[in-house]
Amino acid sequence: GAGVSQSPSNKVTEKGKDVELRCDPISGHTALYWYRQSLGQGLEFLIYFQGNSAPDKSGLPSDRFSAERTGGSVSTLTIQRTQQEDSAVYLCASSLTSAFYDEQFFGPGTRLTVL
Amino acid sequence: GQNIDQPTEMTATEGAIVQINCTYQTSGFNGLFWYQQHAGEAPTFLSYNVLDGLEEKGRFSSFLSRSKGYSYLLLKELQMKDSASYLCAREAAGNKLTFGGGTRVLVKP
Repeated sequence: GAGVSQSPSNKVTEKGKDVELRCDPISGHTALYWYRQSLGQGLEFLIYFQGNSAPDKSGLPSDRFSAERTGGSVSTLTIQRTQQEDSAVYLCASSLTSAFYDEQFFGPGTRLTVL
Repeated sequence: GQNIDQPTEMTATEGAIVQINCTYQTSGFNGLFWYQQHAGEAPTFLSYNVLDGLEEKGRFSSFLSRSKGYSYLLLKELQMKDSASYLCAREAAGNKLTFGGGTRVLVKP
């Protein structure tokens, strides 16, 4: 079946603008994760959704960042008043469950550039 | 990464063996993932270790020592297509992964 998809693939925005990044997980996957990867850096956890439970927001770097997941499927990551340090590749991943052995499948990412 | 250390870069020759070491914080540890990431692409799953010992999967093997907070990924019979970054990721509660900075492996002819 189809893998994790993300849109847009690239986003260029001006400092201070809001952006929305979209993630479509693999159908039937109950867990969804957002990470970001700055140039030459490892992946940084942002937020995690599992079913109908309250999301784990412990990785969000500031209150300018928020995410929601509608209907247990599609997720949107919103960054308000973007700053240049927000420039990174934002990766979404999904897994069948949140069990510790479940592999996370990653989407291709959205490359965000804040001018 | 958060208390996860792996070398930044390694170079090896086609056909050779390379071992990528990873050390991590042991508290709250569930398991250890290795992912491969080619430049500009999404990470793809390579291996998962939860018990001590060696897990072999074709040319790739992964080892874990829980007591030492240590893992390694062994790449055998290196091929040019193995040139990529290899990400060590420590798993804690809720399947939340903390990644190391990645090890860029360059395979030379």
